[in-house]
Parts: sequence; structure tokens; C-alpha cells
Amino acid sequence: EIVLTQSPGTLSLSPGERATLSCRASQSVSSSYLAWYQQKPGQAPRLLIYGASSRATGIPDRFSGSGSGTDFTLTISRLEPEDFAVYYCQQYGSSPFGGGTKVEIK
Amino acid sequence: EVQLVQSGAEVKKPGESLKISCKGSGYSFTSYWIGWVRQMPGKGLEWMGIIYPGDSDTRYSPSFQGQVTISADKSISTAYLQWSSLKASDTAMYYCARLIPYLGAFDIWGQGTMVTVSS
Repeated sequence: EIVLTQSPGTLSLSPGERATLSCRASQSVSSSYLAWYQQKPGQAPRLLIYGASSRATGIPDRFSGSGSGTDFTLTISRLEPEDFAVYYCQQYGSSPFGGGTKVEIK
Repeated sequence: EVQLVQSGAEVKKPGESLKISCKGSGYSFTSYWIGWVRQMPGKGLEWMGIIYPGDSDTRYSPSFQGQVTISADKSISTAYLQWSSLKASDTAMYYCARLIPYLGAFDIWGQGTMVTVSS
């Protein structure tokens, strides 16, 4: 079973700053099926990125995904107040999620 | 509008049984996998399993195999997650979500069902 490790666990940043989140797989995975989700307190998760780099419907272009093999990155170019949340990666919908990265206001 | 609507919050005692539901609408329910995800209080997302309502093909995470049962009734576009004997450690929020196979991702999520198990 592939294990996804996300880092850092918590990222403390100010609005307007750039956020870089990492998702590392225990073995090479298909980038076609690497997804990122955002979850805000009290809400269900929301799909942000699929296929490692494609934005889901309605997702602003300040969110971008990249990577291949075992290393994937979610970048938020300029943090907006509504972007402070927890972010999870997952390799295909029938496998475990990463442990999550919390992006908090500094 | 494509949506998944889950049943309401539950409060149960240890040892009791429970079945929660997830009703799909606005799309062909039998054509997409439905997954279940657990989130314990203050913790991350855990993938539990998925079911294809078209033929009830079901896959479980090894962590949840034998602990829960996933089923579906395609005639009423509803998927289910059930327990035969709840434990306090089953206290969590449970989400259902639609899997898009060619995306490999869950694109639509239910609002969640909170299950509390306490004596």
C-alpha cells in the first residue's frame, strides 16, 4: 500500500504570501491520479487539483499543482483569507489520504 | 444539481448497530463509484472503501475490512455504511463522495454524518 507523507504539518503564513505544500509517496505513483483537497473547519473536503496539475471546476488560478513520480507540490501563489485551511493529497480515490498540511495565519 | 445528501447525526451506545445513508441526485447514480471517508475528531481523512452501485462491486481499506459494511440500493440511488456493533472509537464524522475514475478523485462530497458512540 502506498503511503503519502505530507509536509510540513503546519505552515504559518500571512495573507499575500506564497504557500508551498509537499506530498511525497512511498513509491512512484501515477501523476494522472494525484489529487489535492481543501478542508475548512466544519465543512466537507473540496476537490482542488486532479491529475497532479489540473484545477477542478471553479478553483482559482492561484492554486497550482505539480510533480511526478514520488514528489508532488501544491502551490498557492498569493494566500487569500479564505485559503487558510487543511490540505490533503490522495493517490486515486481508492487509497489512503496523506496526513494533511494545515495552513494557518501567522 | 449534482449532489450527495447524507442522513442526519446519530447518537448510539456501544454494541448497537447503525446504518447511515448517502443519496445521490442530479446524475446517473449507477455509473460512478461512491466512497466513504472517516474523520475522527480533530484528525485527518481516512479512506474506508468504495462501492460501484451499478453492480455493487465493493472494495475496502484493509483498516476497515470486517469492521463495516458498504452497500447500495440503486433503485433509490442510495449508498450505505453500516456497523453491526459500534464502539466508542467509531465516534467520527463520516463523508460519502463520488469518485470520477478518469480523474481518480472525489469531485462531489456529501455534507457528512456525525456518529457519536457513548454509554
